[in-house]
Amino acid sequence: QKEVEQNSGPLSVPEGAIASLNCTYSDRGSQSFFWYRQYSGKSPELIMSIYSNGDKEDGRFTAQLNKASQYVSLLIRDSQPSDSATYLCAVNIRGSNYQLIWGAGTKLIIKP
Amino acid sequence: DAGITQSPRHKVTETGTPVTLRCHQTENHRYMYWYRQDPGHGLRLIHYSYGVKDTDKGEVSDGYSVSRSKTEDFLLTLESATSSQTSVYFCAISPITSGSSYEQYFGPGTRLTVT
Repeated sequence: QKEVEQNSGPLSVPEGAIASLNCTYSDRGSQSFFWYRQYSGKSPELIMSIYSNGDKEDGRFTAQLNKASQYVSLLIRDSQPSDSATYLCAVNIRGSNYQLIWGAGTKLIIKP
Repeated sequence: DAGITQSPRHKVTETGTPVTLRCHQTENHRYMYWYRQDPGHGLRLIHYSYGVKDTDKGEVSDGYSVSRSKTEDFLLTLESATSSQTSVYFCAISPITSGSSYEQYFGPGTRLTVT
């Protein structure tokens, strides 16, 4: 059973601090990794994708991938109240027909 | 905006009635997906399609069927709705372009309540 695990939270972070979200996955053959943000009552929105080991930065967001340890993380610098949302981790299923497997999400709360 | 619409956006129905949800896309993407989202479970794949008339089951397909007679429309049918199918249903597409093989983009969702 292929799995993606996330801490459900809530993770509470002061405004202006760094929020760190983590995700582990079970399929060593996975090649594509995604972070989505979902506001309450809304649909998931893609914010980061990463395909190679190391860091990928986009504005205040940094995705980190370590395939040997099978984890992917998302760092949010200078956290803002508008970053308060649930963050979903998604990983491709090796050999699948372009399917993703999803974590249950981590709820992030940024305290002003 | 990936040009995805879902209808209806909200629906309340009674146990045992058939229900069809529609997903419409404007950009002729080949891959389309239906998910349900429930608290504590994240997104679970119901069915997906990789072309007109080409569909396959996901991990929670029991009680659901799909059809895709046109590239732009992917229909999800609950033949006889049960209370366990109360959920939020999301449609997604995957552009399958070079450098972004698996990313998916979502429609606004349909909130279905079965009483």
